[in-house]
Amino acid sequence: EPEVTQTPSHQVTQMGQEVILRCVPISNHLYFYWYRQILGQKVEFLVSFYNNEISEKSEIFDDQFSVERPDGSNFTLKIRSTKLEDSAMYFCASRGGGYTFGSGTRLTVV
Amino acid sequence: GQQVMQIPQYQHVQEGEDFTTYCNSSTTLSNIQWYKQRPGGHPVFLIQLVKSGEVKKQKRLTFQFGEAKKNSSLHITATQTTDVGTYFCAGPMNRDDKIIFGKGTRLHILP
Repeated sequence: EPEVTQTPSHQVTQMGQEVILRCVPISNHLYFYWYRQILGQKVEFLVSFYNNEISEKSEIFDDQFSVERPDGSNFTLKIRSTKLEDSAMYFCASRGGGYTFGSGTRLTVV
Repeated sequence: GQQVMQIPQYQHVQEGEDFTTYCNSSTTLSNIQWYKQRPGGHPVFLIQLVKSGEVKKQKRLTFQFGEAKKNSSLHITATQTTDVGTYFCAGPMNRDDKIIFGKGTRLHILP
């Protein structure tokens, strides 16, 4: 069964550093998303991406965040200057019928 | 803003008992989706309901979509330890471009 793959599985970074989270969506899907989940809380929408541009973003997705699809397969989320409160699981998803989520990247900001 | 609300937040049941989680939206939904997240895992798509009043079954799981397309339920018959996890409903908001998750119902099974 097709999968969404995410790397790394765990990233520890110092506050103020930049991080790039990587995702390879399912190849024939056209819509891509980033969600995050703070420990024990609900899954929150960050951004949706279609046709090589952001189609919608949430209030969480401020100027510190950016997304790119640098080639035909990868989809990245960059956080420019991490804050402690950015610590969370970050899930990439792509949409065919339902959404397929990757296994996530656990970001820990120290 | 648009919200998806889910109750209960937690549910402890004895193995073999039934379990139900309920989902309500502040607005009419074009569809509703259900996901399961095992502890430490990621959300896994279970099902999508589209039609008003629709009922779908997957083995011991029964999913319903309300007539007004604003509420939904997931019922598990005779729970097993493999059912442990958090069950989220999610509905598309705005231009159907993104889904908004409820807070989830965490199911614990007592042996």
